[in-house]
Amino acid sequence: EAGVAQSPRYKIIEKRQSVAFWCNPISGHATLYWYQQILGQGPKLLIQFQNNGVVDDSQLPKDRFSAERLKGVDSTLKIQPAKLEDSAVYLCASSLARGLSEKLFFGSGTQLSVL
Amino acid sequence: DQQVKQNSPSLSVQEGRISILNCDYTNSMFDYFLWYKKYPAEGPTFLISISSIKDKNEDGRFTVFLNKSAKHLSLHIVPSQPGDSAVYFCAAKAGKLIFGQGTTLQVKP
Repeated sequence: EAGVAQSPRYKIIEKRQSVAFWCNPISGHATLYWYQQILGQGPKLLIQFQNNGVVDDSQLPKDRFSAERLKGVDSTLKIQPAKLEDSAVYLCASSLARGLSEKLFFGSGTQLSVL
Repeated sequence: DQQVKQNSPSLSVQEGRISILNCDYTNSMFDYFLWYKKYPAEGPTFLISISSIKDKNEDGRFTVFLNKSAKHLSLHIVPSQPGDSAVYFCAAKAGKLIFGQGTTLQVKP
């Protein structure tokens, strides 16, 4: 079974530039998550999709971050314009179904450096 | 407001001995707890979980203990192996999943 695919693996940009990350979840997984992991911290949920609808985006900085999941499969996360504090690893995860014992499967992440 | 805390940033143990990783939480509404393991340049992978109605769950060398009165969770690895060297995250669920900061475990041969 193929895992969660993310690209690119690394990205270096200057502040105020734009950047986009792509995620392809495990086939059949209805729920998709984007997490931000700053160095030395645990992953923090940015946005959660159920199929192509948003379930939770309460911690997404909507003035600069946007995400979409077209057709309920692939997803893109965009930052425009980037700030220095956006430097982090952006992790995509997917799960088969929501529920108490839901298990998330993570991709390898995109490491973003904002200079 | 850190709802899930792993107060030990790192832990070093000898191969064959027990590793104990600890996690404290503040939200009594958490009803499910998980441990994830993360190797460098990889995403976290699920390790073991426990429901709030239980106090222990075991899977091979890994055992998770839950003390609800103390709001404390621990992961025991015995015997520890060099391949267990990784960052371990505890996570708690009340709707969404909240992660701790992680503990880096080093198992020395």
